[in-house]
Amino acid sequence: DGGITQSPKYLFRKEGQNVTLSCEQNLNHDAMYWYRQDPGQGLRLIYYSQIVNDFQKGDIAEGYSVSREKKESFPLTVTSAQKNPTAFYLCASRDILRDRGDYEQYFGPGTRLTDT
Amino acid sequence: SQELEQSPQSLIVQEGKNLTINCTSSKTLYGLYWYKQKYGEGLIFLMMLQKGGEEKSHEKITAKLDEKKQQSSLHITASQPSHAGIYLCGADRTTSGTYKYIFGTGTRLKVLA
Repeated sequence: DGGITQSPKYLFRKEGQNVTLSCEQNLNHDAMYWYRQDPGQGLRLIYYSQIVNDFQKGDIAEGYSVSREKKESFPLTVTSAQKNPTAFYLCASRDILRDRGDYEQYFGPGTRLTDT
Repeated sequence: SQELEQSPQSLIVQEGKNLTINCTSSKTLYGLYWYKQKYGEGLIFLMMLQKGGEEKSHEKITAKLDEKKQQSSLHITASQPSHAGIYLCGADRTTSGTYKYIFGTGTRLKVLA
C-alpha cells in the first residue's frame, strides 16, 4: 500500500532540546511539505522540497530545519530556537513532474508535539 | 487576514439535516481542494474543483466553484455522525515551477445523533 508515514505519533520536547519528526513516503512523489496546525489557524507551511537535496522556506520556517537526502524522506527538526513548538505537524507530498492531473496533496497521519 | 476564509468556523447539526460550508478567496482560484480531517489525524482528500461553475459530488457531499472562481461551497445532504470532523479548503498557489498551497482555517462540524 502506498502512502505517507509519520513518526512518532506523539512527541514531548524539553525546553532547549532539538527534536526530529520523521516523514516517509513510498508514492514516488517529487514534492514534500511540512505544515504546522494550530487551533483556529488552519495549516501553515514550514518548509517544502521539490527535488532531492533542495528545499525552500515556507511562511513560518524560523526555528525549524529540514533535509532531503532521499526522495522518500523529508525529516523536520524542531530546534531550540523555536520557542512555541506545541502544535500538530503534518507532512504531505504530491507528484509534480508527471502531470497526470494528480494535483492534490497526500497527507500523513501527523505528529503531535508538546513542549514540557 | 486570511487569503482563504471559511465560514462558519464551527457547526452543530442534528443528524439528517443538510448543511453548507463556504470558502472564499481574495484571489482567483485555479485549483480548489476540499479535505476532511478527523481530530488528531491527517487530511483526507475529498474533491478538487478547477473550472468556474464546476460541481462535483461524492456520496452525500457536493462541492461547487462559482463562475468567478473566488468562492466554493461544500454541501452535505442528510448529515450523519460519520460526517463529523474538520473540513478544510485549500487552494493551489503554484507559480512558475513552485508548487505550493494555502489552506483555510477549517470548519469544525459536529453531527448530533
